[in-house]
Amino acid sequence: DQQVKQNSPSLSVQEGRISILNCDYTNSMFDYFLWYKKYPAEGPTFLISISSIKDKNEDGRFTVFLNKSAKHLSLHIVPSQPGDSAVYFCAASDQGTYKYIFGTGTRLKVLA
Amino acid sequence: GAGVSQSPSNKVTEKGKDVELRCDPISGHTALYWYRQSLGQGLEFLIYFQGNSAPDKSGLPSDRFSAERTGGSVSTLTIQRTQQEDSAVYLCASSLDGIQYFGAGTRLSVL
Repeated sequence: DQQVKQNSPSLSVQEGRISILNCDYTNSMFDYFLWYKKYPAEGPTFLISISSIKDKNEDGRFTVFLNKSAKHLSLHIVPSQPGDSAVYFCAASDQGTYKYIFGTGTRLKVLA
Repeated sequence: GAGVSQSPSNKVTEKGKDVELRCDPISGHTALYWYRQSLGQGLEFLIYFQGNSAPDKSGLPSDRFSAERTGGSVSTLTIQRTQQEDSAVYLCASSLDGIQYFGAGTRLSVL
């Protein structure tokens, strides 16, 4: 039973355009969400997070949107750059716990 | 650097052998996690250490898997009598404030 789902295994976007990566969750107790980026042969690195008290968090070219009623979050990257090509994982937790549930990842390819 | 260090980076073993995977967390981080990533899958939680508290072992897939964390720092994940389905990338992460910092992982291949 996958509590955190990333239904698109891959995405290709032209350089300079917007990349939108989606993530759905089923557990209504989740109240803290994170995005990680992973390059080949490296561990995931933290990108951006959002708490359920917000519906948007922005950091430079990266914005995460949270729709609690739909149990959906998305990561927007604008403008996309070739160096953004990586696998992106979303993760969710109940802040009362320490356990993070990760999605299966979306491989983003930004075409020059 | 002062990141999370894992060794070995790659391990090839024969079915039935025992393996030990090592994780050196970031100094001062009280929390340490082990995850497993099988091909095409997300990160599967294995075990969590927090300070001197008893670890949460609820993610360990079988009693062939065990982990220790000595002195609140270095951790070792041991897999006994390895099976082919144990082949995966094993990732360690440490945390102080909820953000997890990952090592590069150990790629385990069981032949």
